[in-house]
Amino acid sequence: NAGVTQTPKFRVLKTGQSMTLLCAQDMNHEYMYWYRQDPGMGLRLIHYSVGEGTTAKGEVPDGYNVSRLKKQNFLLGLESAAPSQTSVYFCASSSQGVGNEQFFGPGTRLTVL
Amino acid sequence: GEDVEQSLFLSVREGDSSVINCTYTDSSSTYLYWYKQEPGAGLQLLTYIFSNMDMKQDQRLTVLLNKKDKHLSLRIADTQTGDSAIYFCAESMTGRRALTFGSGTRLQVQP
Repeated sequence: NAGVTQTPKFRVLKTGQSMTLLCAQDMNHEYMYWYRQDPGMGLRLIHYSVGEGTTAKGEVPDGYNVSRLKKQNFLLGLESAAPSQTSVYFCASSSQGVGNEQFFGPGTRLTVL
Repeated sequence: GEDVEQSLFLSVREGDSSVINCTYTDSSSTYLYWYKQEPGAGLQLLTYIFSNMDMKQDQRLTVLLNKKDKHLSLRIADTQTGDSAIYFCAESMTGRRALTFGSGTRLQVQP
């Protein structure tokens, strides 16, 4: 099992450009999440999904869109990147089981110039 | 509101015990977690405790929960240099699958 994978690992964008981050999990998990990590601020939830075809807003959703067309994939889109979106982005997934352990991907480091 | 707070930094000597503390504000928390993040990597779950428990022990790790004071701690016995990392406290609440994370405590282990 690969667990949770993220592509790309690194990306540099110019202000106004768009991009999509891909998260894939092979654990048949129902729940998937996108977080961003900024220095001294821990992880903040951007969007999440409780199943295929569903998405919901998290704590900091503005400027991002997501889609969950397939159960194993969760895409995070930036339509018009801004320097404030420079961050490390983590995807996670979890099952419906007790304890709600979230499994994290290795992260995508995004810089917006 | 939801808020999870941790001290930013802890330095210990190899072989000593480390105690990392966390406070949270939401009394409806169901599970509380400790995650470890090594440089350049994602978060890895170390352990978790259900909110009706006071203590959980797992090898070198001991989690203590004081629900009255909303205080959670992680004790690492016989701390090793490989324990150097950032440790995140997190909580989940009834009906909410996503977690609320603290800002992380950087543990530095001196040889």
